[in-house]
Amino acid sequence: DTAVSQTPKYLVTQMGNDKSIKCEQNLGHDTMYWYKQDSKKFLKIMFSYNNKELIINETVPNRFSPKSPDKAHLNLHINSLELGDSAVYFCASSQESLNYGYTFGSGTRLTVV
Amino acid sequence: GNSVTQMEGPVTLSEEAFLTINCTYTATGYPSLFWYVQYPGEGLQLLLKATKADDKGSNKGFEATYRKETTSFHLEKGSVQVSDSAVYFCALRMGGGFKTIFGAGTRLFVKA
Repeated sequence: DTAVSQTPKYLVTQMGNDKSIKCEQNLGHDTMYWYKQDSKKFLKIMFSYNNKELIINETVPNRFSPKSPDKAHLNLHINSLELGDSAVYFCASSQESLNYGYTFGSGTRLTVV
Repeated sequence: GNSVTQMEGPVTLSEEAFLTINCTYTATGYPSLFWYVQYPGEGLQLLLKATKADDKGSNKGFEATYRKETTSFHLEKGSVQVSDSAVYFCALRMGGGFKTIFGAGTRLFVKA
């Protein structure tokens, strides 16, 4: 049973297109996150939702819009894709508690050409 | 602000060598500390954690001790294997949204 699943695993698209990445967790966690990992493996938080409410919204272009229809799902929609958006995007989930670690999905490698 | 600093990689070791990956942190308050491991083509996996000063986290032969006096959480393993080759991330989690801040990652290569 996959705990945090993301789709698609790979996404190749042209500049200017709009795309979505989906994430689902079956762990019963109340908080979900999107992270962006660049080519040097640096991880930057983008968004966090707790029970469908946005609680962290870092400095991210407003072309990126998260949506959480319920606490088990957190999707990421990206408008007008740019070359600089190419990266690996990770979804993660956790309980909203200092002592819990995150469970990550396997990532979506986005390539904008 | 809160931050995590890890030693730069890559770290290259022979099989059965002793591993240390240094991690120091800056935090206002009392964070929990974590090590994550990322194997090629995969997401990060929680390796171990410590939630208060002097706690030792351990898993799969890896261990790290939360040192408040030196604000450090160094990762150690007594005898590495080729299968330990991966990128290791030190992280802290704070209150107020409970955001996790990750270090830059340290790549480990283990040669047979």
